[in-house]
Amino acid sequence: KQEVTQIPAALSVPEGENLVLNCSFTDSAIYNLQWFRQDPGKGLTSLLLIQSSQREQTSGRLNASLDKSSGRSTLYIAASQPGDSATYLCAVSDGGSQGNLIFGKGTKLSVKP
Amino acid sequence: SQTIHQWPATLVQPVGSPLSLECTVEGTSNPNLYWYRQAAGRGLQLLFYSVGIGQISSEVPQNLSASRPQDRQFILSSKKLLLSDSGFYLCAWIAQGPGEQFFGPGTRLTVL
Repeated sequence: KQEVTQIPAALSVPEGENLVLNCSFTDSAIYNLQWFRQDPGKGLTSLLLIQSSQREQTSGRLNASLDKSSGRSTLYIAASQPGDSATYLCAVSDGGSQGNLIFGKGTKLSVKP
Repeated sequence: SQTIHQWPATLVQPVGSPLSLECTVEGTSNPNLYWYRQAAGRGLQLLFYSVGIGQISSEVPQNLSASRPQDRQFILSSKKLLLSDSGFYLCAWIAQGPGEQFFGPGTRLTVL
């Protein structure tokens, strides 16, 4: 059974710092991996989708990498801003027509001005 | 562009009362649709998914049911709510599975 773990559970950094969020999964047979952002009381916003054949994806100040063989992904946030404060969730899909996602519990990020 | 709606946004219901949450998607056809629950201090749990009209799969045994009466409409229901049904309910869709999944704004359900 696939399990997704995110470390750390919470992170507080000063504004401007570069940071890395970690995600690990137990079964390397994934189809894709998706990073989301969730603001308090809100739905999930998709940040980046990495297909299993890809090594990384970039969007603005965000860069996500995927090492399928070791069961790891990282989300790199450059030059963090207070507006980046949110919970970041990692999820993997094991393929199949259903496209079901298995989620980690998230990392709660706080960027202090 | 595609849009996903959920209503109501918040709901407070007594134990034993019925429930109906609605999710609709605009701008796409034949999406895969999903219901998740996010309980306090816990991760997102997939409750139901649907790959087409009238096709519902349940991931966990529970007090809830789901229906898909139209291509872009997904409904979550219960005949009698339990305290443990409280949580944040999220609807999501994929244009074709597996692919990038998009979420709605969610419904906060409190059962008293």
